[in-house]
Parts: sequence; structure tokens; C-alpha cells
Amino acid sequence: NAGVTQTPKFRVLKTGQSMTLLCAQDMNHEYMYWYRQDPGMGLRLIHYSVGEGTTAKGEVPDGYNVSRLKKQNFLLGLESAAPSQTSVYFCASSYDRHYNSPLHFGNGTRLTVT
Amino acid sequence: GNSVTQMEGPVTLSEEAFLTINCTYTATGYPSLFWYVQYPGEGLQLLLKATKADDKGSNKGFEATYRKETTSFHLEKGSVQVSDSAVYFCALNGGSEKLVFGKGTKLTVNP
Repeated sequence: NAGVTQTPKFRVLKTGQSMTLLCAQDMNHEYMYWYRQDPGMGLRLIHYSVGEGTTAKGEVPDGYNVSRLKKQNFLLGLESAAPSQTSVYFCASSYDRHYNSPLHFGNGTRLTVT
Repeated sequence: GNSVTQMEGPVTLSEEAFLTINCTYTATGYPSLFWYVQYPGEGLQLLLKATKADDKGSNKGFEATYRKETTSFHLEKGSVQVSDSAVYFCALNGGSEKLVFGKGTKLTVNP
């Protein structure tokens, strides 16, 4: 049971570089989410998707873009990385709206921007 | 807007001690309430939930009761184990796509 898989696990970028974080789920879930976790801040929602081909902004979307071309994949892109984007990024998915079904999280991607 | 306030950590307990982690919320309407747990090096996983007032969520010996009159959802366990060492997050959903998390409380249980 793979569940939610995030790649890569770790990454170091220089300011201005770009990268894409990949999230893949094998549970046929409709809803997918990208969060960032920072010390003392809890988890904050960056973007989310309610189905293939859809995306929506969360709480802190600036500086990020997402795509959901296939139901099982949700990509998070940083076009021009900034030190403020140093964080741990978590992808999550759920079968239904998350007040009806639990979120399943990946193990995170630790990103450092120097 | 909706918000969650949980007790700041870290919390350090001895094995078999009683655990309480306080969580209060602000929300309009009737939100659903959750506790998620994050073990070291892992993502979060749902621990328990309650969807209406006076509901009690329970799992793995943990309990929390949805108290509308005090807008609280405190997490309790009667006898903690070393394996319970983790970060615990209280969360709220007011019916939108956005789950609002508290800042997390780190629990360390010593043998």
C-alpha cells in the first residue's frame, strides 16, 4: 500500500531556481492538497484540487503554481524560489471533502532555499 | 474567520502519566473537529474526529469531546506510552475545502 508518495524527499535550491514537487496517490482520491509546515505555524494550505483538471488557491498561494493533469498526480511548482519558501511541504489526499473523510498525508519534502 | 488555538508545547511526561492537550476554536456555524498526529519523519495521520456537539471521538486510547458551550476539543489519554511521542495537531473544518490547523503540540514521553 503506497498511499501518498512525494518526491523528492529533500532538495536544496538557490534563490531564483525553479523546481517541481511531485505528489502521487494510488487510492483513487478526488481531492488533493499541498500544505507547508513551518515551525510554530502549524500547516498552511497552499493550493488544492477537487478533481482532475481543477485547482484552487489556499491560504498562502503566492509564489507557487499547481497542476492536476491526471487524477493520481498533483504537482507543485516554484518558478523562482525564495528563502521564504524554505519549509517542509506535505501533500495530502482524501476520498471526499475532508470533513467527511480523513486526509492521507505523504511523508513530506524538505526544501531549503539559500 | 475560523481559527484553532492549542496549548503550546513542548509537553514532557513520564510513561503511564495522564495527558491533556487543550484545544479551543473560533468558528461560525457548526464545524467538524479533528486531532491529527505526526510521528517523527512522517506525515500527519488522523487520530480522531467529532462532527457535532457532544460527540466523543476516540482511537488508540485517546479521547476528545466536542464541547460547543466552551468551544473546546481537548485531547486526553489516561496512560501515555513512549510510542505516543509525536506532534499533535487540532484542526477544524467549517464546511469549506480548508482545514484549519493549530500550531501543534510536541509530546515527549519518557520511560
